[in-house]
Amino acid sequence: KNEVEQSPQNLTAQEGEFITINCSYSVGISALHWLQQHPGGGIVSLFMLSSGKKKHGRLIATINIQEKHSSLHITASHPRDSAVYICAVKHMDSNYQLIWGAGTKLIIKP
Amino acid sequence: DAMVIQNPRYQVTQFGKPVTLSCSQTLNHNVMYWYQQKSSQAPKLLFHYYDKDFNNEADTPDNFQSRRPNTSFCFLDIRSPGLGDAAMYLCATSRVVGTGASYEQYFGPGTRLTVT
Repeated sequence: KNEVEQSPQNLTAQEGEFITINCSYSVGISALHWLQQHPGGGIVSLFMLSSGKKKHGRLIATINIQEKHSSLHITASHPRDSAVYICAVKHMDSNYQLIWGAGTKLIIKP
Repeated sequence: DAMVIQNPRYQVTQFGKPVTLSCSQTLNHNVMYWYQQKSSQAPKLLFHYYDKDFNNEADTPDNFQSRRPNTSFCFLDIRSPGLGDAAMYLCATSRVVGTGASYEQYFGPGTRLTVT
């Protein structure tokens, strides 16, 4: 079993829909990252969370440390949101190494 | 804008011909990372520099080397590229103080390496 599991693996939705991507992890962490990668592109860090909830524009990220679970929400989704969304956690015993989820490929249709 | 810059964005090299990828940052971060990402896979950390201290991941092949001449620049050298080294190479930076805390990593746009 992978230490970081994301669901769903693939998600196709219509423009305007509310999107939820989930991430579960099985190790003790000091932080969880949500990142975005467009096809053939570099990676953009969206959020780094250690507790609670963060919001940036139409993106909201939440984390429940007790349940070892995080969600990334996109409100009023738009075709430009189409990308791979990756959850990565920093193990509490490591300063540098991130444990990466497999990513969720999101397609938003106009 | 403060950022992480990678050059070139696309690099084609011949089998066995040494190649160097570069990364620069204007964030003044003390840690720089090199990742290798193959198609549909998660990025794999190759090594990182904490200031001038080089830290190699245990499974990084000897074929991969790195240099960090100053805070702003870091280079990835592939001494004898093989076909299996074709990948996206991502540079990232973070500012780390002390131990135990987590610091956001800022990624560059990547260099896509093709080996012919």
